[in-house]
Amino acid sequence: DAGVIQSPRHEVTEMGQEVTLRCKPISGHDYLFWYRQTMMRGLELLIYFNNNVPIDDSGMPEDRFSAKMPNASFSTLKIQPSEPRDSAVYFCASSSEGGIQPQHFGDGTRLSIL
Amino acid sequence: GEDVEQSLFLSVREGDSSVINCTYTDSSSTYLYWYKQEPGAGLQLLTYIFSNMDMKQDQRLTVLLNKKDKHLSLRIADTQTGDSAIYFCAETPFGNQGGKLIFGQGTELSVKP
Repeated sequence: DAGVIQSPRHEVTEMGQEVTLRCKPISGHDYLFWYRQTMMRGLELLIYFNNNVPIDDSGMPEDRFSAKMPNASFSTLKIQPSEPRDSAVYFCASSSEGGIQPQHFGDGTRLSIL
Repeated sequence: GEDVEQSLFLSVREGDSSVINCTYTDSSSTYLYWYKQEPGAGLQLLTYIFSNMDMKQDQRLTVLLNKKDKHLSLRIADTQTGDSAIYFCAETPFGNQGGKLIFGQGTELSVKP
């Protein structure tokens, strides 16, 4: 079975550019989570969706960050404009059954903002 | 508030047992998880335990839960060099919608030959 698929795996771009990260959850999973991982702050939950609806976005750092889930099989996390401090690994995860089942993670997108 | 604490580093010799410890603050946690992260990869679910259990064993892995002390441990028997990774403890606090997870900082396990 296919796991959570994220793209791109690596992204290097210049400060000020728009960045779009993509995620395809496991088929049938109705919860989708976006995390950010850095050495300084560890693993942080940014936002999560249930049935394509954002439930909790309290972890989104600021207005430069936005996330959408237009359908059950696709989500995006967008940063506009990007800044060097946004450099991190961004993970997407999905789960089912109201979150009782464990979250399954993608391999992440390693983002570097120069 | 909700908080999960882990020691940052553990070093063991190949063939020994490893014990990774975790403490949490939310006594109403329903599920507690162990994830493994290898370099450059995502988090891989290792095992999890429901809060009404004291112990769960899965091949070389043993999870012990002490609810009174809010302490969770992961024991890896016969540790191999391939077990070198960062191990994350996580809890699902009761009442949180959608299985929102609270992660610890991760314990880096180094296995020496």
